[in-house]
Amino acid sequence: RKEVEQDPGPFNVPEGATVAFNCTYSNSASQSFFWYRQDCRKEPKLLMSVYSSGNEDGRFTAQLNRASQYISLLIRDSKLSDSATYLCVVNMNDYKLSFGAGTTVTVRA
Amino acid sequence: EAGVTQFPSHSVIEKGQTVTLRCDPISGHDNLYWYRRVMGKEIKFLLHFVKESKQDESGMPNNRFLAERTGGTYSTLKVQPAELEDSGVYFCASSQDLAWETQYFGPGTRLLVL
Repeated sequence: RKEVEQDPGPFNVPEGATVAFNCTYSNSASQSFFWYRQDCRKEPKLLMSVYSSGNEDGRFTAQLNRASQYISLLIRDSKLSDSATYLCVVNMNDYKLSFGAGTTVTVRA
Repeated sequence: EAGVTQFPSHSVIEKGQTVTLRCDPISGHDNLYWYRRVMGKEIKFLLHFVKESKQDESGMPNNRFLAERTGGTYSTLKVQPAELEDSGVYFCASSQDLAWETQYFGPGTRLLVL
């Protein structure tokens, strides 16, 4: 079983729409959780950390469910610039990041 | 502030040859990581340095891979001899004092072994 599993998508949505997707992780001892964004042929960049209480950053909302071991990301009022691959990332200990394969989101005009 | 830099950006070599990848972390970052993404797979951890010391190299695929970080500044990752399955994108990342802080990634080196 993979350490982090994501719905690969693609999610193809019109501008202004809301899109949401999840990932699940296998290790219940995981410590910290992140969503990274990766544009085509670029490096991953941190989008946001995910906290147990859930957190928002502008149009982005992340949720963590430790009991079910899943993490979600919701994007409201999608912009063309949100088109990217979103990587679910879990920190199994204090330094080693485990990545999901990514969820592709395409926002169309 | 300069980000993580990697050199070269692309490398095309033949099976059996040697390639050396270089990573310059963000200045002052003691923690340096190597990750790899092979075609169609997720990004995988290779190893972690704290300054010049290897903390964890459990992700290194085999003994054809050798990473060094002499002086605790830049790091090199050598593949010798390269095999076809080594093709992929090699990312370097760095973080400051606490290892669970945000890891900043470099642009990656795209390696193609023919």
